[in-house]
Order: sequence, then C-alpha cells, then structure tokens
Amino acid sequence: SQQGEEDPQALSIQEGENATMNCSYKTSINNLQWYRQNSGRGLVHLILIRSNEREKHSGRLRVTLDTSKKSSSLLITASRAADTASYFCATSRGSGNTGKLIFGQGTTLQVKP
Amino acid sequence: GAGVSQSPSNKVTEKGKDVELRCDPISGHTALYWYRQSLGQGLEFLIYFQGNSAPDKSGLPSDRFSAERTGGSVSTLTIQRTQQEDSAVYLCASSFQRGQETQYFGPGTRLLVL
Repeated sequence: SQQGEEDPQALSIQEGENATMNCSYKTSINNLQWYRQNSGRGLVHLILIRSNEREKHSGRLRVTLDTSKKSSSLLITASRAADTASYFCATSRGSGNTGKLIFGQGTTLQVKP
Repeated sequence: GAGVSQSPSNKVTEKGKDVELRCDPISGHTALYWYRQSLGQGLEFLIYFQGNSAPDKSGLPSDRFSAERTGGSVSTLTIQRTQQEDSAVYLCASSFQRGQETQYFGPGTRLLVL
C-alpha cells in the first residue's frame, strides 16, 4: 500500500512560473526523497532531505519537510518546458528498516512553453 | 561510471509463460531493490537485497515471484506462470548502503502479458 499522498495529482503552468507539489505521509521516516519520471520509465533522483532537516535547496529546486505535520513540499522555480514530467515523493522509514522506499501517487506536471 | 542497467527493455509474453528480468546495479552498491509500477497500484516495493543478508521479500505479491542476487551483484527477478495483472514496468534500484542513501534507478523493463 502507498504511504504517501501527493497533491495536486496534476498541475499545468506556463514556462517561467513556479510549481509547488505537496506530499503527505503516515509513519515516522529516516528521509524523504523526490524523484522525477519522464514517459513512464526510469526514475531520476532529485533531492533527499533527512528527517532532521527542514529545508534543502538544489539549483531551482527547494524542498521543505515538516515532520510534525508529516508533509513535504517540492518547489520548482522558473519552470521550463523540460520540467514536464511526473514527480514522486518517497519515504524511507525508521529504525530496523531495510531502506525500501514507499512512494506517493505522484504529481503530473505540464509546463507550457 | 555506468548507472543501473536492466534487460530486456521490453518483454511481451503469453499468459502462463515464465519470464526473467535482469538488473545490473551500480558497481560497489551493496543494496539492491526491485519495484513494480502499474497503472492501478502505482510504485510498489517488491524485494530487497543487502550483501549476504537474507533478502526482504515482504513486497512480493505471490509465490509466483522470486528473485536472486548472485555474487552480490547482478539480480534476476523471475515471474512464473505469468498473469495479465503482472503487466507493469519493473524497476530496479541500487544504493551504496541501506536506509540512508539515495537509490538510483534503472530504466525499467516494461512487461506485457497477453
């Protein structure tokens, strides 16, 4: 079963605008990761945020984590047409875990040129 | 270095046949994971290998599914007596060590069971 829920399920914006995607989860975690997927194939790792971190940046990406609310957000600034893809959050759970990832349902982002 | 590779890229098979899917993890990565992505179920964990430890098979959907990892490197996922509901993209990932590290995914094998 999926732990994460993401919203929105689909997002359509104009190039240059910012895109925000949210992810909620249910159990304690070690870390939370965001992945991008193009055309239903391989997942590309974007960013990992650990449970003791609150915010992390990587280029045009900004991720926040609120463990009290069990939620995370991914912000893509100054979006480009090439950012069109599906975005998934994935959590890795606490102690004793194998590190397997539990994925959200994903947000489909369309960036119009 | 090379990323995670999987073969075949696509596989079409008839219901009832057995299939084998292969994963070559990134060299030096000790942890290897199999996931399945299907329309109705999203991305699901199947099985995990870490070094010489017993694998975590908790995600395998039925006893028709099995996997092995030989020599701590290459892994094979086998589906026996395939069913139409097995149609999905099967993704393999590896990481340097379990639990704390980024998982790097292969391009996946798209399986279609007719």
